[in-house]
Amino acid sequence: DQQVKQNSPSLSVQEGRISILNCDYTNSMFDYFLWYKKYPAEGPTFLISISSIKDKNEDGRFTVFLNKSAKHLSLHIVPSQPGDSAVYFCAARGFSYGQNFVFGPGTRLSVLP
Amino acid sequence: DAGVIQSPRHEVTEMGQEVTLRCKPISGHNSLFWYRQTMMRGLELLIYFNNNVPIDDSGMPEDRFSAKMPNASFSTLKIQPSEPRDSAVYFCASSWTSGTYNEQFFGPGTRLTVL
Repeated sequence: DQQVKQNSPSLSVQEGRISILNCDYTNSMFDYFLWYKKYPAEGPTFLISISSIKDKNEDGRFTVFLNKSAKHLSLHIVPSQPGDSAVYFCAARGFSYGQNFVFGPGTRLSVLP
Repeated sequence: DAGVIQSPRHEVTEMGQEVTLRCKPISGHNSLFWYRQTMMRGLELLIYFNNNVPIDDSGMPEDRFSAKMPNASFSTLKIQPSEPRDSAVYFCASSWTSGTYNEQFFGPGTRLTVL
């Protein structure tokens, strides 16, 4: 049973527009969430995180929103650039998991010039 | 820092052969993780070590898989005997854990193909 879900396997967005990637989780014990970006033939790289005590975290063009009641988070990229084309993984962790992260299956973002 | 180093980057082997994947974590990190990525299951944690001690190996698929961390700068993931369904990309990641949450830094991965 997937505890972290990314229901959109792929997303295409025009350059300059907003990209919104969604993630849902089922375990209410999760209290820390991260987004990773992965280019082909490379390992995932950390992008942005959010703790459950917040509902928003911003870093440049990237903003993550957390809705705890809906068990939903989203990553907004504004404006989208062709270099943002990658697979984006949502990951979650909770105290009972120790240092484990649970990853979603990923969403492939294509930013079209 | 060179980041997490994995070798080999690509491995092609025949069913039944032993495969050993290697990882050098970032210096100073005290946690090391092995992941497997497949199309069907996405990125799944196989095992993780803290201070060279295996903490959780519940993700290891079966007894054919084993992992060791003999010291803070080296870990191996061994598959013996290998099977075609083991074909995947295997990632090693490391982090510094001190009671708070810290992001993991991933290596470039080893693409394993078992024929």
